Amino acid sequence: DARVTQTPRHKVTEMGQEVTMRCQPILGHNTVFWYRQTMMQGLELLAYFRNRAPLDDSGMPKDRFSAEMPDATLATLKIQPSEPRDSAVYFCASGLVLAEGTGELFFGEGSRLTVL
Amino acid sequence: QKEVEQDPGPLSVPEGAIVSLNCTYSNSAFQYFMWYRQYSRKGPELLMYTYSSGNKEDGRFTAQVDKSSKYISLFIRDSQPSDSATYLCAMSDGSNYQLIWGAGTKLIIKP
Repeated sequence: DARVTQTPRHKVTEMGQEVTMRCQPILGHNTVFWYRQTMMQGLELLAYFRNRAPLDDSGMPKDRFSAEMPDATLATLKIQPSEPRDSAVYFCASGLVLAEGTGELFFGEGSRLTVL
Repeated sequence: QKEVEQDPGPLSVPEGAIVSLNCTYSNSAFQYFMWYRQYSRKGPELLMYTYSSGNKEDGRFTAQVDKSSKYISLFIRDSQPSDSATYLCAMSDGSNYQLIWGAGTKLIIKP
């Protein structure tokens, strides 16, 4: 049963520390998304990749966030330094996006980050 | 004003009732409309996918799109406690790979 795998599931850290979240997308999917979900803002798109190339990271605070996809089986989201306002659930999603720009997204179970 | 508006609820109904969940949007270019269901502490999962206007039915679920009113709906018949979740609408104009999401409506089905 193919699924998107995210690690860690939970992370508690102190302000100023580096946080790295990892995602293994479903094999064969060509597009990977990073989202952040909070009660106040809902789902916010941070960055996405197609065929490992970054297409849009305009949703990320660039001074502290970075997203990479070193190979087809791994996407990473790094926060350095972390701040309390970064506390949220971070979701990775992958999909086989069709030529017209749509397709089903499959989400991981999320990484719940708490920054003290 | 957000591109997609969705009442966050919560919406609480008794088991067996018909549930109606709705989203309105402002961008007339949207052509692809989706409903995702999210259980507590889980990621969203696709429930229904509709292209352009019209209805689509899948078991107890019906998705309806009215592009003239910029309004989409999800109906759940014979609601069950297991339908208790947050329902998010999402839509796209097909020009890129980004979905525009609603805030999600929390639905509670009381046994």
